[in-house]
Amino acid sequence: GAVVSQHPSWVICKSGTSVKIECRSLDFQATTMFWYRQFPKQSLMLMATSNEGSKATYEQGVEKDKFLINHASLTLSTLTVTSAHPEDSSFYICSARDGGTEQYFGPGTRLTVT
Amino acid sequence: LAKTTQPISMDSYEGQEVNITCSHNNIATNDYITWYQQFPSQGPRFIIQGYKTKVTNEVASLFIPADRKSSTLSLPRVSLSDTAVYYCLVAAGTASKLTFGTGTRLQVTL
Repeated sequence: GAVVSQHPSWVICKSGTSVKIECRSLDFQATTMFWYRQFPKQSLMLMATSNEGSKATYEQGVEKDKFLINHASLTLSTLTVTSAHPEDSSFYICSARDGGTEQYFGPGTRLTVT
Repeated sequence: LAKTTQPISMDSYEGQEVNITCSHNNIATNDYITWYQQFPSQGPRFIIQGYKTKVTNEVASLFIPADRKSSTLSLPRVSLSDTAVYYCLVAAGTASKLTFGTGTRLQVTL
């Protein structure tokens, strides 16, 4: 089946710094990728939809200047958390569509901001 | 997007069949029903998808009545490793968004 990877799997950064998370579709081309955030014991919350070659569409309440998304190719999307703060600590998950009805999810990235 | 309602949690013993029902009263004509499984600190994993009647694969069955206002995920003979959160989602085949509900936390014990 289709595989989506994320890098890094976990990251610790200091408050005020920026961190970049990569999402790659390994064996298919993904015209659309999605970024979710999940807090402990909670469900996934969609942050933004990323289309290759165009600006991302952010969900209501998600700061686009804080969570920078770039979808430079059909196999790579990146999420940069700028000026991270402890409240940004969360589990970030990406998913990708291959044009079909299914979304393939990455393994997630655990971000801890100290 | 159709909203889904699932039980918050379920308990089962190993070896039993588990049925998790999801309500989606506002499902649209072009919506599919998809179930995902999520283990702690992992991304969701696709289990099964259907549009109507019954769908079966190597891990589960999905039962969808004629009115499609609900669906039931059936896990045969669960094991301890099936302990996870199960999400029911409803979205159009070409939808750009998936809206995750609360999910059902299944706990399997000996």
